[in-house]
Amino acid sequence: EPEVTQTPSHQVTQMGQEVILRCVPISNHLYFYWYRQILGQKVEFLVSFYNNEISEKSEIFDDQFSVERPDGSNFTLKIRSTKLEDSAMYFCASSEAGGGTGELFFGEGSRLTVL
Amino acid sequence: AQSVAQPEDQVNVAEGNPLTVKCTYSVSGNPYLFWYVQYPNRGLQFLLKYITGDNLVKGSYGFEAEFNKSQTSFHLKKPSALVSDSALYFCAVRGPYTGGFKTIFGAGTRLFVKA
Repeated sequence: EPEVTQTPSHQVTQMGQEVILRCVPISNHLYFYWYRQILGQKVEFLVSFYNNEISEKSEIFDDQFSVERPDGSNFTLKIRSTKLEDSAMYFCASSEAGGGTGELFFGEGSRLTVL
Repeated sequence: AQSVAQPEDQVNVAEGNPLTVKCTYSVSGNPYLFWYVQYPNRGLQFLLKYITGDNLVKGSYGFEAEFNKSQTSFHLKKPSALVSDSALYFCAVRGPYTGGFKTIFGAGTRLFVKA
């Protein structure tokens, strides 16, 4: 069964450092998303991406965040200068086209710890 | 803007008994409603969705949910709970197109099934 894969599974970084989280969505999916979950609680929307551009973003997704689909398979989330409060589990998700009716397929997540 | 509420942080049920996890939503226009489950240290997994048609939808692992438009609810149910159903359950809503297909998640309800 096709799945969304994420790397790394866990990353520890110092405050102020840049971090790149990588995702390989399901190959025939066209919509890509990043979510984050702090302390195993609420799942927060960060950004959606379609047709090589951001289609929607939340207020959390400020200038420190960026996304990219550099090569047609990978989908990356970059945090330019990490803050302590960026510590969270980051989930990548993808869905098929179809007017927004498709369910999300999530990866296993990348745990980011900022010290 | 769309929103979703899960009024119970935790639901406890004995194995073999029916379970209900509650969800109410707010969205303009016709909602697309989803349930996801998260096991410890895992990504979210899709359980079922309501897009249109029959108000009772059936999903994975014997779960079902009933869409009630007048009460703006989408409660998750299962006739007979299993210990293995113990997990974190998220209700989610996707509203009208706003440049993207953002899915908003509730705060989650932790289900404990006791043997």
